[in-house]
Amino acid sequence: GDSVTQMEGPVTLSEEAFLTINCTYTATGYPSLFWYVQYPGEGLQLLLKATKADDKGSNKGFEATYRKETTSFHLEKGSVQVSDSAVYFCALSRARGSNYKLTFGKGTLLTVNP
Amino acid sequence: NAGVTQTPKFQVLKTGQSMTLQCAQDMNHNSMYWYRQDPGMGLRLIYYSASEGTTDKGEVPNGYNVSRLNKREFSLRLESAAPSQTSVYFCASHLIEDPYGYTFGSGTRLTVV
Repeated sequence: GDSVTQMEGPVTLSEEAFLTINCTYTATGYPSLFWYVQYPGEGLQLLLKATKADDKGSNKGFEATYRKETTSFHLEKGSVQVSDSAVYFCALSRARGSNYKLTFGKGTLLTVNP
Repeated sequence: NAGVTQTPKFQVLKTGQSMTLQCAQDMNHNSMYWYRQDPGMGLRLIYYSASEGTTDKGEVPNGYNVSRLNKREFSLRLESAAPSQTSVYFCASHLIEDPYGYTFGSGTRLTVV
């Protein structure tokens, strides 16, 4: 079945540091890939997405490129801020009829210190 | 505000009690989902409803039932709560035509003692 593996946390960085959170997936066909962010006490929000190979999703300074050859979708940001502290989830979606359920990784807690 | 509304936000149950978690969306979405979130496990799908009138099991349906009451509402019922059902529950929805446009509710934190 489909699965998503993302880097174990927690990750602790200083402000303005470079961030990478690794994500790899297993799925048949051509899934769409997502990064979601969850701030403390809140639900999940879509951060970025990519729907086909070599697509780059970007938002709020975060980027991720859909690499089919390595089945990866690593999240990067050049300079993190304290406000980026949150849990980040990598996810995939693959159409099965009219169902587009999301399969999530376990999440990575990021803490950014001033 | 438009979005997905979940009630209650917090609940404590005793083992064996029953309760229903409510979810309503006002975005005219067709598809609705219930996920549970446990530490170190990510989110796992409990049940989903691809469209009004249909429901299907996800990864972890045991101990739960659902009702798609109408297009707006999708409820999750625990008939006899167990400590293993202590979790944070999220409802989500999207348009069939926009499978990438998931909107999540803010969650229900359930503790079973």
